[in-house]
Amino acid sequence: QQKVQQSPESLTVSEGAMASLNCTFSDGTSNNFRWYRQHSAKGLEVLVSIFSDGEKEEGRFTAHLNRANLHVSLHIREPQPSDSAVYLCAVSRTGANTGKLTFGHGTILRVHP
Amino acid sequence: GPKVLQIPSHQIIDMGQMVTLNCDPVSNHLYFYWYKQILGQQMEFLVNFYNGKVMEKSKLFKDQFSVERPDGSYFTLKIQPTALEDSAVYFCASSLGRRNTLYFGAGTRLSVL
Repeated sequence: QQKVQQSPESLTVSEGAMASLNCTFSDGTSNNFRWYRQHSAKGLEVLVSIFSDGEKEEGRFTAHLNRANLHVSLHIREPQPSDSAVYLCAVSRTGANTGKLTFGHGTILRVHP
Repeated sequence: GPKVLQIPSHQIIDMGQMVTLNCDPVSNHLYFYWYKQILGQQMEFLVNFYNGKVMEKSKLFKDQFSVERPDGSYFTLKIQPTALEDSAVYFCASSLGRRNTLYFGAGTRLSVL
């Protein structure tokens, strides 16, 4: 059964400093990785999706995938206080499991002005 | 981005009663999902639904649970009868295809007393 672990549990950064979040997964056949964030009482907002090793940039958000190391990361460039939220890593393997995501527990990001 | 709406945001019911959670998915999406998040734990997959049928369900999707989308309207999760352990936030999601991004609603918090 897929296990997804996120670190750190919480992270506090100053506005403008790079924020880096980590996610490890256990199923090496996983091929679909997404980072979501959740502001309090709001739906999940998809930030970036990545399907092959390397980097994928969407605005200030960059995901980096290394499937051999079972690791995917999210880097937030020039974070702002409005980026304070819970960040969720979601992993799946497309095929028979249609859209079945396994989530991590999340990283709570706080960005101070 | 595309919006998934969940109504109501919070529902309180007595144990043993029936409850129906409603979801208004993105209009042209074809795949529909329910996820469950118990307080302090990660989001977990419950069920996915396509072309009027359940495609896959997890062990959390008990016999008391059912889903349907009559006449292309709301996608619903019905729990009958409810139990105390059903208290959680239930997130609805939809996607255009099984490899596409899942878009999530803000969740319905279900409190079973």
